[in-house]
Amino acid sequence: ETGVTQTPRHLVMGMTNKKSLKCEQHLGHNAMYWYKQSAKKPLELMFVYSLEERVENNSVPSRFSPECPNSSHLFLHLHTLQPEDSALYLCASSYRQTNEKLFFGSGTQLSVL
Amino acid sequence: GNSVTQMEGPVTLSEEAFLTINCTYTATGYPSLFWYVQYPGEGLQLLLKATKADDKGSNKGFEATYRKETTSFHLEKGSVQVSDSAVYFCALRGYGGSQGNLIFGKGTKLSVKP
Repeated sequence: ETGVTQTPRHLVMGMTNKKSLKCEQHLGHNAMYWYKQSAKKPLELMFVYSLEERVENNSVPSRFSPECPNSSHLFLHLHTLQPEDSALYLCASSYRQTNEKLFFGSGTQLSVL
Repeated sequence: GNSVTQMEGPVTLSEEAFLTINCTYTATGYPSLFWYVQYPGEGLQLLLKATKADDKGSNKGFEATYRKETTSFHLEKGSVQVSDSAVYFCALRGYGGSQGNLIFGKGTKLSVKP
């Protein structure tokens, strides 16, 4: 148990659906991250929030929309996804953006049909 | 830009065998280097780190030495256990702006048989 909780654990959605992934941490961290984990690819950093402001957006398609309402919660809103977006989406947090130790959640396994 | 290359898996070993997972990196300056581990059904956890050349990180019987001359950070363990079965990720962190974010490799899956 790392202290970072992601829901749901599994999600199956059609290409026309809209869904949201949720991440929650009560570790007192002020930086939060979304990573995409696909088979046989490096972990891809998608978004970084520091003190609730987005500080990094690594050329992620607009069909992925992050939201950080406070330092404990992070969302990833999904709409009109493609089958190639199927992957494990991992949330992580750290004390500050430059901190080297990230605490990861267990991820949401997303399947887009 | 910065990048990490690790050996392709999966790696299958018998219990008590010696483990090496190779990792090399490309980066400007002097990055910090890390190994993270992902046990089945869980998120990644920091296993060990080294922040400068010739540093050795160690934890839970695992070791890795920061070799600047070969730009490598190979993970080793003298005697693996079934409980070490997991996916291992090599990572680096540069300095300044987006270089300060962690860059991960593809991961190497290790399976240890009894």
